[in-house]
Amino acid sequence: QQQVKQSPQSLIVQKGGISIINCAYENTAFDYFPWYQQFPGKGPALLIAIRPDVSEKKEGRFTISFNKSAKQFSLHIMDSQPGDSATYFCAASSETSGSRLTFGEGTQLTVNP
Amino acid sequence: DGGITQSPKYLFRKEGQNVTLSCEQNLNHDAMYWYRQDPGQGLRLIYYSQIVNDFQKGDIAEGYSVSREKKESFPLTVTSAQKNPTAFYLCASSSPRQTNYGYTFGSGTRLTVV
Repeated sequence: QQQVKQSPQSLIVQKGGISIINCAYENTAFDYFPWYQQFPGKGPALLIAIRPDVSEKKEGRFTISFNKSAKQFSLHIMDSQPGDSATYFCAASSETSGSRLTFGEGTQLTVNP
Repeated sequence: DGGITQSPKYLFRKEGQNVTLSCEQNLNHDAMYWYRQDPGQGLRLIYYSQIVNDFQKGDIAEGYSVSREKKESFPLTVTSAQKNPTAFYLCASSSPRQTNYGYTFGSGTRLTVV
């Protein structure tokens, strides 16, 4: 019940295309859903996050879509660029977990020029 | 600037040696975490601590030990009992008192057994 399932494991997109990464969860107590971006040899960095009181959040080219009834959320990267090539992790946490995050398995995104 | 500092960036260990990875934060975060990342893999939780002088095992604690004597510091020791320690180690911190309690990660330590 604590798992967060992420797909796909890897994704190749052409420059200018839309990258979509999906995550699903079971624990209905989860109330915070961040996405992290990790470049090779670096630590993950917070990219964008959403709470379940909204269905969508947009920051620049990055959008989180959230479907509370389906217990799914996704990251959309519009106009994907080669500089977006990185590993992306979704995560979830609840107030009862004391801020401890449960991470998805990660998606390796490659944007071809 | 506030952040998390991990040192060293690269570390080499001989068979049978214990090594300690440093993690220091000046974010005034209560919770700290250690993750292991293998090539092309996700993040696996080793240990975490939510308050000083207290810590809990994560999913892969065998062969590792930690201490939390100060709020700012959470060192990880990779013992000789860890049979496959070559990996990228990440430290993170968070505060449940923040509105959005995401993690701040360090830049990692790459440990190689030679």
